[in-house]
Order: sequence, then C-alpha cells, then structure tokens
Amino acid sequence: ETGVTQTPRHLVMGMTNKKSLKCEQHLGHNAMYWYKQSAKKPLELMFVYNFKEQTENNSVPSRFSPECPNSSHLFLHLHTLQPEDSALYLCASSQELGTGGDEQFFGPGTRLTVL
Amino acid sequence: KNQVEQSPQSLIILEGKNCTLQCNYTVSPFSNLRWYKQDTGRGPVSLTIMTFSENTKSNGRYTATLDADTKQSSLHITASQLSDSASYICVVSVHKLSFGAGTTVTVRA
Repeated sequence: ETGVTQTPRHLVMGMTNKKSLKCEQHLGHNAMYWYKQSAKKPLELMFVYNFKEQTENNSVPSRFSPECPNSSHLFLHLHTLQPEDSALYLCASSQELGTGGDEQFFGPGTRLTVL
Repeated sequence: KNQVEQSPQSLIILEGKNCTLQCNYTVSPFSNLRWYKQDTGRGPVSLTIMTFSENTKSNGRYTATLDADTKQSSLHITASQLSDSASYICVVSVHKLSFGAGTTVTVRA
C-alpha cells in the first residue's frame, strides 16, 4: 500500500450506531488531518494531529472523537450522529505541520450516510 | 464569507476544447496557492503550486496563472480529455489552508 488509505470507503449508519473510520499513511509524514467535505461546499478542517498529538479541533461536535495512536494511523470514532453529518470524510497527511507550505496528501475518503 | 471563491460552480465542455476556471481570494499575502484535482470517489491531488511572487505554472495540459494585484488565479485546461472530468479546487495557504468550493468540470465526447 502506498500513499494514504482510508477504510471503509462507504458507510451507512443509523443515528444510534457507533462506528469508526480508519486512516493510514505510508509516507512517513508527521502531521495528519481529518476533513469534512459536503456537496458544493469547501473542505472543512475538523482535527489536526502533529506527532500524534492533537493540535487543532475546529469546534467539532463531541459526537466526533478522533484518535491518533501513532504518526501513521488516525481514527475518527462516530456516535449518535445526525443526518446532516452525512458527507465525504477525508484524511490527509503532510511531512510537517507549519505554515501550510507542505503539500497535503489526501486519502480517497469515506462516504458516510446517516439515516 | 469564504476567503476563496471559485467560478463557475460547474461547466460542461466538449473533448478537445479548452476551458478556464477562476479563483478569487481575499487572503493576502500567502505562502502559496495550489490547484487540486479531485476525481469522483478520490481525494484531491495537487496539480500546481505557485508562490506569492510567481505568475504562472504549468503541469502538462494544465496551466495556472496568478495575478497578485487583482487577487485572482486561473486554471487553464488545454485540449481537454475525458479524464479531465473532475472537481478542481483552489487552495490558498497562509498559516492554514483556505479552500474554495471547487468547480466541477464535465468533458463530453
């Protein structure tokens, strides 16, 4: 596997379910990100991790819970979601966390549908 | 109001034709401006990157231009191919990334 991988690629869940999204990067990067992409809207940054420490939480509701056990893996735990949370969730990584000069490499995303 | 605005929201072109996508931004100055291509079912992939002082950057049939005075960037696609059908996202980087909503391009045979 190369680059950034995400599983599952598609997920349908009820509002009372608990599920987790997984992201793995094989690039040796130190920073990892979760984004939400809704139709016709700009990507929304959710969480940022640098050397597995959370450095940013963009006022994300607590029903989204990130976990970063090491620099290569990132999880997004989901519970009691709302239908408006349906979107494409993208994971990305970059070599360093800084001024944004480093290119971010994106995974293919998880298409989430909340019923 | 978003700091990065893209137009048009979507466009349809015939294979072999050229097209130009626009990006207007309010973030200034910035570290760099990137254009990403996002195929359906895939994550965005960087096409071009320009620093604040650069005017143009090419990547094959893709050419990006930057006018810092008018705070505009454009992405020109030459001799479009069916594989160019995708969303194109303008991203401006200062301390963090500011994303445009993207332009969806459909190339038809």
